[in-house]
Amino acid sequence: GDSVTQTEGQVALSEEDFLTIHCNYSASGYPALFWYVQYPGEGPQFLFRASRDKEKGSSRGFEATYDKGTTSFHLRKASVQESDSAVYYCALGEASSGSWQLIFGSGTQLTVMP
Amino acid sequence: ETAVFQTPNYHVTQVGNEVSFNCKQTLGHDTMYWYKQDSKKLLKIMFSYNNKQLIVNETVPRRFSPQSSDKAHLNLRIKSVEPEDSAVYLCASSLRGLYEQYFGPGTRLTVL
Repeated sequence: GDSVTQTEGQVALSEEDFLTIHCNYSASGYPALFWYVQYPGEGPQFLFRASRDKEKGSSRGFEATYDKGTTSFHLRKASVQESDSAVYYCALGEASSGSWQLIFGSGTQLTVMP
Repeated sequence: ETAVFQTPNYHVTQVGNEVSFNCKQTLGHDTMYWYKQDSKKLLKIMFSYNNKQLIVNETVPRRFSPQSSDKAHLNLRIKSVEPEDSAVYLCASSLRGLYEQYFGPGTRLTVL
């Protein structure tokens, strides 16, 4: 079945560091790809998505590019802040009866130190 | 501002009991979902419900069932809880055809 792999379980950075969280997917079709962020005590929040090859999604300084060749959707940010500390989830989605069935990766805990 | 509301925030119960969690969204969305988030933060879809059509993840045990009175409400009932049901249950909603899902804050279930 379809799956999403996030290789980093935890990432620790200092403020203004560059962030990369790796996301690779396996799917039989042509899924949409998503990034969600979850802060403590809250539900996940949609960051952005991309739905075709070479499309770039971005929000709040984060960005990722859909790469069908390498089956990847890596999250990047040029300069992280302490407020970016959270769990980040990559997900793939397939349309089913008008709704999106999301399959999430295992999540990456980002900790940014001041 | 919270637009997907879940009650209760926490629930502690004994093995074999029945529990029910409530979810309400005020966004005018037509699709609602239930997810399970385990202690390792793994998120898995359990159900989606759209225009009275239910899509069930085949791995969900039969003791779980969603209950909807209208498109703004989707409750979750667990008939006879087991220790492995301890988790955070997250409700979400979306508008048909659009990508973004909005999540509630979750209900944390502990089964003793």
